Amino acid sequence: GQQVMQIPQYQHVQEGEDFTTYCNSSTTLSNIQWYKQRPGGHPVFLIQLVKSGEVKKQKRLTFQFGEAKKNSSLHITATQTTDVGTYFCAGRRSYNTDKLIFGTGTRLQVFP
Amino acid sequence: NAGVTQTPKFQVLKTGQSMTLQCAQDMNHEYMSWYRQDPGMGLRLIHYSVGAGITDQGEVPNGYNVSRSTTEDFPLRLLSAAPSQTSVYFCASSYFYRGIDTIYFGEGSWLTVV
Repeated sequence: GQQVMQIPQYQHVQEGEDFTTYCNSSTTLSNIQWYKQRPGGHPVFLIQLVKSGEVKKQKRLTFQFGEAKKNSSLHITATQTTDVGTYFCAGRRSYNTDKLIFGTGTRLQVFP
Repeated sequence: NAGVTQTPKFQVLKTGQSMTLQCAQDMNHEYMSWYRQDPGMGLRLIHYSVGAGITDQGEVPNGYNVSRSTTEDFPLRLLSAAPSQTSVYFCASSYFYRGIDTIYFGEGSWLTVV
């Protein structure tokens, strides 16, 4: 079955350092989505990428979708304590009708 | 506009009991799904639905039933609860527009089976 893995599983950084999480799918995806979940909260949608090689930015966050549409990355520049949480990628094989499978997640801890 | 509403928020069950987790959305979304999240783990898809009257299995469907009689509601039934079903359950709904699907999660239901 479809598997979506993320590395690293945990990352501890000093405030101001950069952070990157990588997402790899066993199958080609029609789109990739990223979510953030604060401790005790629910996942919150951040962004969706649909095109091969696509790059999108949201302030300090940069999202990339690989050329083969099987991997993606999220990079945070100059982390802040408000960035603490778990970041998940999620993907569908087929647009609109296929199930959305979540990655294993990367938990980010930021020390002031 | 309530978004995605899950009830109950917390529940303790005894092994073998049955219960239904309710999920309702008021956004007229066609796609709804249920996930479970175990401590320190990612979200695993239990069941999903692409519209009223249509349901399909996700990654971990065993021990759970669903139905989708209306667009708004997507209840998740545990027929005979087991300790392995202790988890946080999230319901989600989404819509598709111009190639983008936007997903909204409920706040979660914390279930403990003793």
